[in-house]
Amino acid sequence: GQQVMQIPQYQHVQEGEDFTTYCNSSTTLSNIQWYKQRPGGHPVFLIQLVKSGEVKKQKRLTFQFGEAKKNSSLHITATQTTDVGTYFCAGMDSSYKLIFGSGTRLLVRP
Amino acid sequence: DGGITQSPKYLFRKEGQNVTLSCEQNLNHDAMYWYRQDPGQGLRLIYYSQIVNDFQKGDIAEGYSVSREKKESFPLTVTSAQKNPTAFYLCASRDRGADTQYFGPGTRLTVL
Repeated sequence: GQQVMQIPQYQHVQEGEDFTTYCNSSTTLSNIQWYKQRPGGHPVFLIQLVKSGEVKKQKRLTFQFGEAKKNSSLHITATQTTDVGTYFCAGMDSSYKLIFGSGTRLLVRP
Repeated sequence: DGGITQSPKYLFRKEGQNVTLSCEQNLNHDAMYWYRQDPGQGLRLIYYSQIVNDFQKGDIAEGYSVSREKKESFPLTVTSAQKNPTAFYLCASRDRGADTQYFGPGTRLTVL
């Protein structure tokens, strides 16, 4: 079946350093979504990418969708302690089901 | 105040007992989903429903059952057949024609 792989599993950074998480799908995706889950909380939708090669920015966060629509990345510039949490990518299949990656847990040292 | 509610937040049950988790939404969304999350893991789809009175199995449906008698409600029953039921259970909903799923606060189930 369709799989979405996400790396790294963990990333521990000093506040102010950059952070990137990568997502790869075994098949072409109709779109990809990114969610953030704070410790003890539930996933919260961040953004959706639909077009091949699409790049979107939200303040310090930059999201990219690969040309082949099989991979994506999330880059955070100058991390802050408020960025702590687990970031999930999720690819949507033809049945509107989301296939979630395993997530990247970000820890930020103040 | 619109949103998705799940109750209770924490639930403890003895091994061998069935337990039903509640999920209610007042967003008028057609589709609803149940996911399971284990520590340090991603979300795995248990069941989903695109419309009232219809639902489909997800990737890990064994040991679970659902019903969708009303648009706003999608309860999940964790049966005694589920071998490892202790987990964080998340419910989500999606509007027709939209892609974004909105999650409830989750229920942490512990089976003793």
